Amino acid sequence: QQPVQSPQAVILREGEDAVINCSSSKALYSVHWYRQKHGEAPVFLMILLKGGEQKGHEKISASFNEKKQQSSLYLTASQLSYSGTYFCGTFYNNNDMRFGAGTRLTVKP
Amino acid sequence: NAGVMQNPRHLVRRRGQEARLRCSPMKGHSHVYWYRQLPEEGLKFMVYLQKENIIDESGMPKERFSAEFPKEGPSILRIQQVVRGDSAAYFCASSPERGASYEQYFGPGTRLTVT
Repeated sequence: QQPVQSPQAVILREGEDAVINCSSSKALYSVHWYRQKHGEAPVFLMILLKGGEQKGHEKISASFNEKKQQSSLYLTASQLSYSGTYFCGTFYNNNDMRFGAGTRLTVKP
Repeated sequence: NAGVMQNPRHLVRRRGQEARLRCSPMKGHSHVYWYRQLPEEGLKFMVYLQKENIIDESGMPKERFSAEFPKEGPSILRIQQVVRGDSAAYFCASSPERGASYEQYFGPGTRLTVT
């Protein structure tokens, strides 16, 4: 089952903040966040695990509410390089990841 | 350390032909995942393999599609008798261990066009 991401798209000016949400109707083992630029491969940003452990980039922050089965990715003081499509991936078992439909982020000067 | 490699990067096939997509995981990674991405859409899980084993193929169409990851050599995604609807970008990803705690590293993808 696919997680649901919101918003579908967001446009920011440089320096503004954004929050991208990912929610699931099923219990989660972990949530992964990736960014994909047009025509390129997805790039790993962060993993959030049950129990509060996180692995990922220092400049990216995210939260994982296990009870609500939701995760949020926080992008602060956005830069032009943040533009791209952000995907959350969720593990419902220990085998495979299901990706959300993506959130397209555009940062303008 | 070389990243995940996929070839070919672009593949054009006529309807009815076979497509073979190759994926070499990162050095030291023995877990490979295949995903399909249609234009302007998300990544759809197809199959998860470990060396010589298919662990989960629940996302793979039952007919015409198969995947393998032999003891030696790259992982192969094979699509027989391709149709127009198979046109998509196919990404593989590798990880060092199994499961939810490990990040996946993606290859550059193979863009398949069926004419």
